[in-house]
Amino acid sequence: EDQVTQSPEALRLQEGESSSLNCSYTVSGLRGLFWYRQDPGKGPEFLFTLYSAGEEKEKERLKATLTKKESFLHITAPKPEDSATYLCAVLRGGETSGSRLTFGEGTQLTVNP
Amino acid sequence: DSGVTQTPKHLITATGQRVTLRCSPRSGDLSVYWYQQSLDQGLQFLIQYYNGEERAKGNILERFSAQQFPDLHSELNLSSLELGDSALYFCASSASGLAGDVSKNIQYFGAGTRLSVL
Repeated sequence: EDQVTQSPEALRLQEGESSSLNCSYTVSGLRGLFWYRQDPGKGPEFLFTLYSAGEEKEKERLKATLTKKESFLHITAPKPEDSATYLCAVLRGGETSGSRLTFGEGTQLTVNP
Repeated sequence: DSGVTQTPKHLITATGQRVTLRCSPRSGDLSVYWYQQSLDQGLQFLIQYYNGEERAKGNILERFSAQQFPDLHSELNLSSLELGDSALYFCASSASGLAGDVSKNIQYFGAGTRLSVL
């Protein structure tokens, strides 16, 4: 069974204090790893897709990286508006699994001014 | 705005009742997914439809059912509701329905329907 574990569960940073969120996964035949941002009471917002180990993607203050066992979301010089829950999800291969995503529990990030 | 529309935004009902949640996918997307998010379980996959046919099924209860119509909108029906069914229900859509077509498998989520069972 696919497993996605995110750490830490919650992270509190000061504005400008860089840090990283971790997503470790166990999945048979990984086809892609996805990062989403979710604000309270809203739907997840797509951030990145990573397909293969060694791949990196950047967007503003966020940078996502992927290894064979885990992914990191690096946040550089965060601002209060970066406060949200960050979700990691995996897409596995195989005809019987369709294109369902398996999500981790998320990391709740709070950035204080 | 993701382009995925869910109605209603809020639903309050009583135990034992039946409700229908509606989802319109992004223009051009063929797959629709339903997820349940409760406080203690995170986002749980329920079911996927691709171009009108069921493609994948998660731990969806027998009291729950879904369908996708010819115009590609989808409905999730929840019956014999229990207190534990109270949750946020999200619909997502993507262009493709097969994991092999990864670049077309980005799922875009709607704003959700908050269901409260009293």
